[in-house]
Amino acid sequence: ETGVTQSPTHLIKTRGQQVTLRCSSQSGHNTVSWYQQALGQGPQFIFQYYREEENGRGNFPPRFSGLQFPNYSSELNVNALELDDSALYLCASSLYSENEQFFGPGTRLTVL
Amino acid sequence: DQQVKQNSPSLSVQEGRISILNCDYTNSMFDYFLWYKKYPAEGPTFLISISSIKDKNEDGRFTVFLNKSAKHLSLHIVPSQPGDSAVYFCAASEAGNQFYFGTGTSLTVIP
Repeated sequence: ETGVTQSPTHLIKTRGQQVTLRCSSQSGHNTVSWYQQALGQGPQFIFQYYREEENGRGNFPPRFSGLQFPNYSSELNVNALELDDSALYLCASSLYSENEQFFGPGTRLTVL
Repeated sequence: DQQVKQNSPSLSVQEGRISILNCDYTNSMFDYFLWYKKYPAEGPTFLISISSIKDKNEDGRFTVFLNKSAKHLSLHIVPSQPGDSAVYFCAASEAGNQFYFGTGTSLTVIP
């Protein structure tokens, strides 16, 4: 059974640029959630995707967008990057009917 | 507004003793609670959960207690082992949709 993987591991961007982060769900999982974890904070829910549709969204602006593909892998896109977007971005997969989420190792984004 | 709070940023415990990690929440609609453990450079790993219909759930050395009237849950680890040293996050959700995480407690188990 393959766990949740994320790419890239680290990324450095400059303010105003756009970034795409990728996540492959654990085998058999149909739901993916994205979280932002700033330094010293807990993960903050960005949004969740189920069957390629957004299924819930946290308090993040529209420049944070996502996609889920038929194979349940997912992308997180952030436009017009700001310095405060610097954080660890975590992807978690689950079965829609289950509460337990399995996290990937995260992508560390630095915005300069 | 932080709906899940872990007021102790860090905790040190001797090996073999009990570790107690605490978590408070404000939303009375939360009905499912989880604890995650996180090592550096890794994503959080699920540890144990409890639904609001229970007040205790046990899994080996780990026990989670839920006090709904106080909106408080705690994680007990006994006996504590050096390998338990990590950051522990509690999380809560309403109907399993959006999960709210606390800020974490860094546990150090001293050999």
